[in-house]
Amino acid sequence: GAVVSQHPSWVICKSGTSVKIECRSLDFQATTMFWYRQFPKQSLMLMATSNEGSKATYEQGVEKDKFLINHASLTLSTLTVTSAHPEDSSFYICSARDGWETLSYEQYFGPGTRLTVT
Amino acid sequence: AQTVTQSQPEMSVQEAETVTLSCTYDTSESDYYLFWYKQPPSRQMILVIRQEAYKQQNATENRFSVNFQKAAKSFSLKISDSQLGDAAMYFCAYRRLIQGAQKLVFGQGTRLTINP
Repeated sequence: GAVVSQHPSWVICKSGTSVKIECRSLDFQATTMFWYRQFPKQSLMLMATSNEGSKATYEQGVEKDKFLINHASLTLSTLTVTSAHPEDSSFYICSARDGWETLSYEQYFGPGTRLTVT
Repeated sequence: AQTVTQSQPEMSVQEAETVTLSCTYDTSESDYYLFWYKQPPSRQMILVIRQEAYKQQNATENRFSVNFQKAAKSFSLKISDSQLGDAAMYFCAYRRLIQGAQKLVFGQGTRLTINP
């Protein structure tokens, strides 16, 4: 299957600083990438959907100015957590798909990034 | 709103036995996909099996099979001959096109423990 990577796998930052998480599709072109957030022992919650070359679409309740998403190429999307606070500590997972807007495409998940804000 | 419900927060099974994880979903659509994902301690999401709603035949992948009851909006996962490596969180998910965008909606998850 296709491979999606994330970097870093774990990051610790101080409150008030910004941190960037990268998501790459290694062997396919990702027309759409998704960013999820997962709190301990909870399910995945979709934060936003990004299409290459256009602005991300954020889910209700997600602050677009705090979670900046850039999808500048067909293989790279980045999530920047700006002015991070301890409540932003979580596990962030990206996912990518290689098909067009049909139901039959496959969606591949990255290994996730653990963010700890101190 | 589309919701996915997994009513079993935790399940355990003896190694080599069979276990069934439950999932129900709410939708008014007729065309959609359903999935079971596995999340082991590494937290990497792994696709276990998927079912197209228009297919009446239940999907099967080796030791994993589903019981898809469209009218009842039920989608359970059966794991046969359970192995220690099957221990993980299992998420049921539903995907459909919403306002031109594909979205996956996940259930709350079921933690499966395999007893040796």
